[in-house]
Amino acid sequence: RKEVEQDPGPFNVPEGATVAFNCTYSNSASQSFFWYRQDCRKEPKLLMSVYSSGNEDGRFTAQLNRASQYISLLIRDSKLSDSATYLCVVNGLGGYNKLIFGAGTRLAVHP
Amino acid sequence: NAGVTQTPKFRVLKTGQSMTLLCAQDMNHEYMYWYRQDPGMGLRLIHYSVGEGTTAKGEVPDGYNVSRLKKQNFLLGLESAAPSQTSVYFCASSRGTGDTGELFFGEGSRLTVL
Repeated sequence: RKEVEQDPGPFNVPEGATVAFNCTYSNSASQSFFWYRQDCRKEPKLLMSVYSSGNEDGRFTAQLNRASQYISLLIRDSKLSDSATYLCVVNGLGGYNKLIFGAGTRLAVHP
Repeated sequence: NAGVTQTPKFRVLKTGQSMTLLCAQDMNHEYMYWYRQDPGMGLRLIHYSVGEGTTAKGEVPDGYNVSRLKKQNFLLGLESAAPSQTSVYFCASSRGTGDTGELFFGEGSRLTVL
């Protein structure tokens, strides 16, 4: 079993749709969780951290369920510019050297 | 705002050749990393450094060497390239200890080994 698993997609949605991605992780000791965004043939960039209480940044909402060991990302009112691959990242044992990246979920938003 | 710069951006090698990828950051970050990204897999850590003069192995270090002689530079070397090393390589840096999770990545270096 992979340490961090994501549905690879692609998720094809129309503009204005709401879309949700889930990510599961295997290490119950994981402490920190993040979503990164990676545009086609570009480098990953931090989208948002995921806090235990859940957090929101504009149209993006991240949630953590420790009991079930999954993280979710909800995107409301999708824009064409949201088309990208979303990487789930988990810090297993502390320290940046322990960041585990999921393979990513691809989102394609169409007019 | 240069951030993290990688050179070269593209390279084609023959099996057995050697090469060095250079990563430079201008953010005065202590930590630097080299990752590789392959289709269907997440980024995997090759080597990392927690400061000038230090290096450590990551998840997939075999076939690679690194050096961090200057704080701003982190070099990744392939002594004898193999087709299995065909990949996209990303350098990243971070501020240091603490768990903000924010890595700053370079634009990537696409390496093909024939």
